[in-house]
Amino acid sequence: GEDVEQSLFLSVREGDSSVINCTYTDSSSTYLYWYKQEPGAGLQLLTYIFSNMDMKQDQRLTVLLNKKDKHLSLRIADTQTGDSAIYFCAPKGQYGGATNKLIFGTGTLLAVQP
Amino acid sequence: DTGVSQDPRHKITKRGQNVTFRCDPISEHNRLYWYRQTLGQGPEFLTYFQNEAQLEKSRLLSDRFSAERPKGSFSTLEIQRTEQGDSAMYLCASSFQGAGTEAFFGQGTRLTVV
Repeated sequence: GEDVEQSLFLSVREGDSSVINCTYTDSSSTYLYWYKQEPGAGLQLLTYIFSNMDMKQDQRLTVLLNKKDKHLSLRIADTQTGDSAIYFCAPKGQYGGATNKLIFGTGTLLAVQP
Repeated sequence: DTGVSQDPRHKITKRGQNVTFRCDPISEHNRLYWYRQTLGQGPEFLTYFQNEAQLEKSRLLSDRFSAERPKGSFSTLEIQRTEQGDSAMYLCASSFQGAGTEAFFGQGTRLTVV
């Protein structure tokens, strides 16, 4: 089945850039989403990229996609303490089936130091 | 519309009791998903509805679990004879039909079985 891997933890200082990486196995992934989860809360959709794009920028967020290597990254510019959360990448492809369900990895915990 | 709503937010129950959770999706969305998330893990797919039809169930969904979406609007997830291993966050998400449509999540119901 689909496998999504992310590093478990990232620590940055406030004002620095954060880069969260994700690798996935489903080469048929057409849409790749990034979700943010704050402690005890649900998932908030941050951004997504379509598989025919290499890059998408949305304010402080930049998503880079290397489809050949099945590697996705999320860069957060000028990281703030409010960005501290768990970040999940979720590719949507054939393993989602006709239901288009999302497959999540374990997520990356981003800790922003003041 | 304020987004996907879940009730209750927290539930503590004794082992062996039955519990029921409710999800109200975004009103125009015809797709509804249930996920389960345990501590330190990403969400895992449980089941999916398109309108009132339950079209897919994960193997994670044992016979003690049942979900309904009687009129294609709100959904309920019932767990019978709860076990300690059922302790988790239960997340509901909804979306429009279509490959590229993003899923929006509710805040989740945190279940603790004691």
